[in-house]
Amino acid sequence: KQEVTQIPAALSVPEGENLVLNCSFTDSAIYNLQWFRQDPGKGLTSLLLIQSSQREQTSGRLNASLDKSSGRSTLYIAASQPGDSATYLCAVYNNAGNMLTFGGGTRLMVKP
Amino acid sequence: DADVTQTPRNRITKTGKRIMLECSQTKGHDRMYWYRQDPGLGLRLIYYSFDVKDINKGEISDGYSVSRQAQAKFSLSLESAIPNQTALYFCATRADVNNEQFFGPGTRLTVL
Repeated sequence: KQEVTQIPAALSVPEGENLVLNCSFTDSAIYNLQWFRQDPGKGLTSLLLIQSSQREQTSGRLNASLDKSSGRSTLYIAASQPGDSATYLCAVYNNAGNMLTFGGGTRLMVKP
Repeated sequence: DADVTQTPRNRITKTGKRIMLECSQTKGHDRMYWYRQDPGLGLRLIYYSFDVKDINKGEISDGYSVSRQAQAKFSLSLESAIPNQTALYFCATRADVNNEQFFGPGTRLTVL
């Protein structure tokens, strides 16, 4: 059974810092990996989708990498802003099944 | 207008009552999903559907049922609500081309 772990569970940084959020998964037979943002009490917003054949994806200040062989992905946020404060979730879609398996999330606080 | 909508957004009910949560989408996706989110447990899959004639159980389907009335509509029912079904419920669709998932805003359900 696929397990997805996100470290750290919570992170607090001053505005302007570059930061890295980590995601690891136990089964490398994935179809893709998706990073989401969730604001308190709200739905999930898709940030980046990396197909299994890709190494990274970029959108604005966000860059996500994927190392399938080691079962890891990182989300890099450049020049963090208070508006980046949210919970960040990674999820993997397995080749074998039809399920998206989620990590527990990293709760990010960017202080002004 | 939002691509994936859920009604109601909030609901408080009593133990033993029947509850239906509704989801509609305008993305034209065949694949739809219901998840629940609990603090510390992340998102877990309840049911999913690949088209109007295809319904599949997820990892936590006990106590729930679903109906796919049309490509655009997927409803989740709690036949006899119990307090441990108190959670945030999300509907999602999945794109056929790249498997990217899109989430609705969520329904906060409280069972007293």
